[in-house]
Amino acid sequence: NAGVTQTPKFRILKIGQSMTLQCTQDMNHNYMYWYRQDPGMGLKLIYYSVGAGITDKGEVPNGYNVSRSTTEDFPLRLELAAPSQTSVYFCASRDRYYEQYFGPGTRLTVT
Amino acid sequence: KNEVEQSPQNLTAQEGEFITINCSYSVGISALHWLQQHPGGGIVSLFMLSSGKKKHGRLIATINIQEKHSSLHITASHPRDSAVYICAAYPNFGNEKLTFGTGTRLTIIP
Repeated sequence: NAGVTQTPKFRILKIGQSMTLQCTQDMNHNYMYWYRQDPGMGLKLIYYSVGAGITDKGEVPNGYNVSRSTTEDFPLRLELAAPSQTSVYFCASRDRYYEQYFGPGTRLTVT
Repeated sequence: KNEVEQSPQNLTAQEGEFITINCSYSVGISALHWLQQHPGGGIVSLFMLSSGKKKHGRLIATINIQEKHSSLHITASHPRDSAVYICAAYPNFGNEKLTFGTGTRLTIIP
């Protein structure tokens, strides 16, 4: 099992560019999550999904979009990147016992 | 006031000391997570608890549902235990999402 994988590991974007952060899990978990962690701060929920085809907003969804066409994949789309979106992005999946498994993170800088 | 509170926010101890990090919550919960994050690193799940006590190696986690309190203990602490420890809970209502504590930054001095 690879667990939760994220690509890319690092990315630098210019203001106004767009990109998709990829997240894949091979544990057949229904629940998946996207978090951001700003420097020195805690995790904030961007979007989550309780199964393929179902997504919902978290605390900080503005500037992001998600889709969940398969159980395995939960990509996060950034449109019109802004410096405020400089952060580390973590994807996670949850098993039926409520335990969350985190990916290694994507470090994004918007300049 | 955050629904999940951790204490202390920062903790510095000598190698070998017994460490306790506390987590209290103000709402009914389904389950509680203890997570570990090393500086600049990823996030690792240490424990998922809904009752009682769990032990992995030198780490012990306990939860008292009636008192709305959980503790994470580290025995024989080591510098590699230096990390941020995060308590997070699933509320009974809206339990798809975790409510996070603010984290405890632990530094173990050799």
